[in-house]
Amino acid sequence: KAGVTQTPRYLIKTRGQQVTLSCSPISGHRSVSWYQQTPGQGLQFLFEYFSETQRNKGNFPGRFSGRQFSNSRSEMNVSTLELGDSALYLCASTPAGGTDTQYFGPGTRLTVL
Amino acid sequence: AQSVSQHNHHVILSEAASLELGCNYSYGGTVNLFWYVQYPGQHLQLLLKYFSGDPLVKGIKGFEAEFIKSKFSFNLRKPSVQWSDTAEYFCAESGKTSYDKVIFGPGTSLSVIP
Repeated sequence: KAGVTQTPRYLIKTRGQQVTLSCSPISGHRSVSWYQQTPGQGLQFLFEYFSETQRNKGNFPGRFSGRQFSNSRSEMNVSTLELGDSALYLCASTPAGGTDTQYFGPGTRLTVL
Repeated sequence: AQSVSQHNHHVILSEAASLELGCNYSYGGTVNLFWYVQYPGQHLQLLLKYFSGDPLVKGIKGFEAEFIKSKFSFNLRKPSVQWSDTAEYFCAESGKTSYDKVIFGPGTSLSVIP
């Protein structure tokens, strides 16, 4: 099976802009979680989608949003970018979420100038 | 709120040395525990996991971890590290249901010197 794919791999934006990141899960996986990875902070949970519904949300401001499509592909959007949003954004898929082993994608490296 | 702490930010060892990375979690209920590893330039991947049963779990590449419920700990061990074990290691926890989210620790960077 193909692994989790994320596009784009690298992105450079300026403050105030918005950005959309995409994640395609492993075929058959219905849960997609998003994480922000920064040095020293580790992985901070953003949100999880299962069957097109947001099932869990982390402690991020409303500028961070996401959605999931009927084919389980997911997008996350960050509006009004700030310098502190520079990070590696990882998505992970599991068959059903929660207790399952997570399969991670390579991440999207976002740099905000 | 759930949280996971890892004792060391950066560990440097010589090859053949023994490794123990500390992890403590806060969730008071029954938990699932994980160790994930991120080798340089590679995706984050599962090293081992504990769901129930024997508190000593074995993972890939000779790693093992021990769940000690009374100490809220899940420390990772390897008796003899290799240069190829150089990586970032993350401890994580979740509740038992599909509705529980996975919470990661801040990570420990391991450098193994040949």
